[in-house]
Formats: sequence, structure tokens, C-alpha cells
Amino acid sequence: DTAVSQTPKYLVTQMGNDKSIKCEQNLGHDTMYWYKQDSKKFLKIMFSYNNKELIINETVPNRFSPKSPDKAHLNLHINSLELGDSAVYFCASSQDAANTEAFFGQGTRLTVV
Amino acid sequence: DAKTTQPPSMDCAEGRAANLPCNHSTISGNEYVYWYRQIHSQGPQYIIHGLKNNETNEMASLIITEDRKSSTLILPHATLRDTAVYYCIVRGNAGNNRKLIWGLGTSLAVNP
Repeated sequence: DTAVSQTPKYLVTQMGNDKSIKCEQNLGHDTMYWYKQDSKKFLKIMFSYNNKELIINETVPNRFSPKSPDKAHLNLHINSLELGDSAVYFCASSQDAANTEAFFGQGTRLTVV
Repeated sequence: DAKTTQPPSMDCAEGRAANLPCNHSTISGNEYVYWYRQIHSQGPQYIIHGLKNNETNEMASLIITEDRKSSTLILPHATLRDTAVYYCIVRGNAGNNRKLIWGLGTSLAVNP
């Protein structure tokens, strides 16, 4: 079974649309993350949740809204998509916020046209 | 900004040891050195981490200098499947310093 799974794997959408990326982990971890990897391959943290509570919220446009219905799920909703949002988005989890042996999903490649 | 400096690329022959260097001259006393790798089109994968002592696991060894200003990740017998980008990251263990701040890493090519 996949430890951290994201859906969809690929997402192509038009500017101005609203889209969601889902993430689920079956490791029993308390902490989950969203990262963005841009075209230059820099990987930057966007959000982190610990037991459904937001603990890291980087300087990200408020068009991006994470939602954690339970500690096994952390979804990312993006409103009014822009060309610059095109990137690969990775979900990850770790046992707790102090532990950074993080397990990553396979990524969602978002292309905004 | 990342607190580490790594060469952008390295080559290694299959079956030989791959030694990947990392400089972290501004590391603080309570900051750990982490290594991750990212194989093409996959998510990053944790390899190993350490504070002061050398560490070894089934994937690799981590050698940290006594002054902690640099470290080396060693893959003892590199295989073609070890071709990936290797990231060296310095991370604290409290508050905002717990974030992993990623640089561009070293692109390791293992050649047959």
C-alpha cells in the first residue's frame, strides 16, 4: 500500500479555475505538509498541519487554502489559478512536528494554461 | 535561504563509492544535518540524518567533521538506481527552525 498518496497525479486547467489536490497518508503520522517545486526545482514548504492544526503557514497567496478533515488527510484547494501556479506539488507526512524523516507522495504536476 | 552548499553535479561509476560533500559552515549547535534524495519524477526520499556523530544505515553513511562545518554522504556501492538529486539540509528542532529549507542539491549520475 502506498504510504502517502496524492490525487490527481496530473492536472491541466485553465487560468481562473478553482481546483483541489487531495492527500492521504496511512502511516498514522500526526504531521502533514504541502510543498511546491517550481520549474527551477526549488522545493519550498507551503503549509504544515499537526493533528489537524496549522503550524506552518509560509508566505503563500491566500488563493491557496489547505484543509485537514482528519490527521490522515491534508487537501490543498487553489482558487483563481494563475500561470505562475504551474509546478509540482508534493504532500508529505512525518510522525510528529519534531521529526523530519518525512515521507513524500509522488507529486501532482499542475499545469495552468 | 538554504544554509548548505553542494556541488551542482557529480559522476560515479557503478559499484564504486559515491562521496557527496556538503558545506554548512554556519550550522548552529542544535541543528541537524539531513540528507534526502529525489529520483527523477518521484517525491523526495529520506536517507539519513545526524547531529555530531557519524551515522550509518542500510542506505548510506554520514560523516560529519569534528567542527560540524561540513559533512559527506557516502553511498558505499553505487548502483544505477542511485542516480538522483541529493539534498543536504540543515534543520533545527524548535519553532520555525524546524522547517526543511531545500537548496538545489547535487545531481549524481551513476554510470555503467
